[in-house]
Amino acid sequence: QSVLTQPPSVSGAPGQRVTISCTGSSSNIGAGYDVHWYQQFPGTAPKLLVYGNSHRPSGVPERFSGSKSGTSASLAITGLRAEDEADYYCQSYDSTLSGSEVFGGGTRLTVL
Amino acid sequence: QVQLQESGPGLVKPSQTLSLTCTVSGGSISGGTFYWSWIRQPAGKGLEWIGRVFTSGSTNYNPSLKSRVTISVDTSKNQFSLNLRSVTAADTAVYYCARTNYDVLTPFSSIWGQGTHVTVSS
Repeated sequence: QSVLTQPPSVSGAPGQRVTISCTGSSSNIGAGYDVHWYQQFPGTAPKLLVYGNSHRPSGVPERFSGSKSGTSASLAITGLRAEDEADYYCQSYDSTLSGSEVFGGGTRLTVL
Repeated sequence: QVQLQESGPGLVKPSQTLSLTCTVSGGSISGGTFYWSWIRQPAGKGLEWIGRVFTSGSTNYNPSLKSRVTISVDTSKNQFSLNLRSVTAADTAVYYCARTNYDVLTPFSSIWGQGTHVTVSS
């Protein structure tokens, strides 16, 4: 059971917009900690996609955007492409777990 | 650019100690506001943070693993290591090392190793 809750799967057609939610609690996201997002393709290491709720590292397309409100955060992908099919993980920090970094359970994005 | 590479046995017997090393290349492990993390992922499952080490040697661990984990750093070799004691089949996973930025409100890992698969089996 992950500390942060994500939907197991989402899907969308090419060109569409999809969102992936990440729900936490008052000891992590709701406590004011930032949320980061990682993209992972099968058999490869996760790659930082969004940091500090809404900032993109160099090289990440503008199609990927993040937001945070209250105890939740979201990753939005617009103009969906076949190459976006991957697993997406949110990550934050929890003050009740001895300074632990915490991850969501991951969401598999399928491009129809 | 900085790269990380995990190394260590791919097979460990139950009750023994899993030992992995992460070698940092392309930059000094002591440079910048980073700490060094271990994260694991069982097959078909999500990511689990194991712990972190600062170049000072200070550490923090996931409470669920704290009693069995030791993470250390060797700045002279530009490496940091993971020891996980008394392993069981539940510790079978891909183990990643990562460089984590901590000069922010909430740390994030911007550089990851490729991962190494460790199986616990007799």
